Amino acid sequence: DAKTTQPPSMDCAEGRAANLPCNHSTISGNEYVYWYRQIHSQGPQYIIHGLKNNETNEMASLIITEDRKSSTLILPHATLRDTAVYYCIVRVGGTDKLIFGTGTRLQVFP
Amino acid sequence: EAGVTQFPSHSVIEKGQTVTLRCDPISGHDNLYWYRRVMGKEIKFLLHFVKESKQDESGMPNNRFLAERTGGTYSTLKVQPAELEDSGVYFCASSPLASPTDTQYFGPGTRLTVL
Repeated sequence: DAKTTQPPSMDCAEGRAANLPCNHSTISGNEYVYWYRQIHSQGPQYIIHGLKNNETNEMASLIITEDRKSSTLILPHATLRDTAVYYCIVRVGGTDKLIFGTGTRLQVFP
Repeated sequence: EAGVTQFPSHSVIEKGQTVTLRCDPISGHDNLYWYRRVMGKEIKFLLHFVKESKQDESGMPNNRFLAERTGGTYSTLKVQPAELEDSGVYFCASSPLASPTDTQYFGPGTRLTVL
């Protein structure tokens, strides 16, 4: 079973920041938080990952709380092409497999 | 650099037939993974190769599924005989061997329909 909890859906206006929350209260100290997204029927696309520090790349920012029990993915200026299902995944310690939950369906509207 | 490729993109077969899916990972990636999403369900892990060896096959649903990666390059996933519940999208992903936290890059998937 997935070790994360996400809201099933969110809306965001184009050009605004999209903040997608994720709860992972049972995360272990050596487990990373990964974010992927799936646009329409394409394969999952990697966005960002982090352990305990905040991370930023060209796609998004990842904010992890100090207790590591939750995190937020931030798309700073959402576009219509960011409409997708976003998955927050805790990497299983000691193995490489990704355990996907139901994700958050983000709808960006004009 | 070419991404992960999968063939075919779609396959429609009848129950009881055999289907073989192929995945070509990113060149130089030693880790290769198979996942699938069946109708209405979440994406589920099937198995993980490191080069030609099966590292973790805990997600394989039953012995009708056979995955191979001869030579440590491309991989095949054979379903024999196919059942209705095998319908879904099968994804392949690859990552370098350098670190266990390396990013997995996914292919576009193969949509399998069993009639």
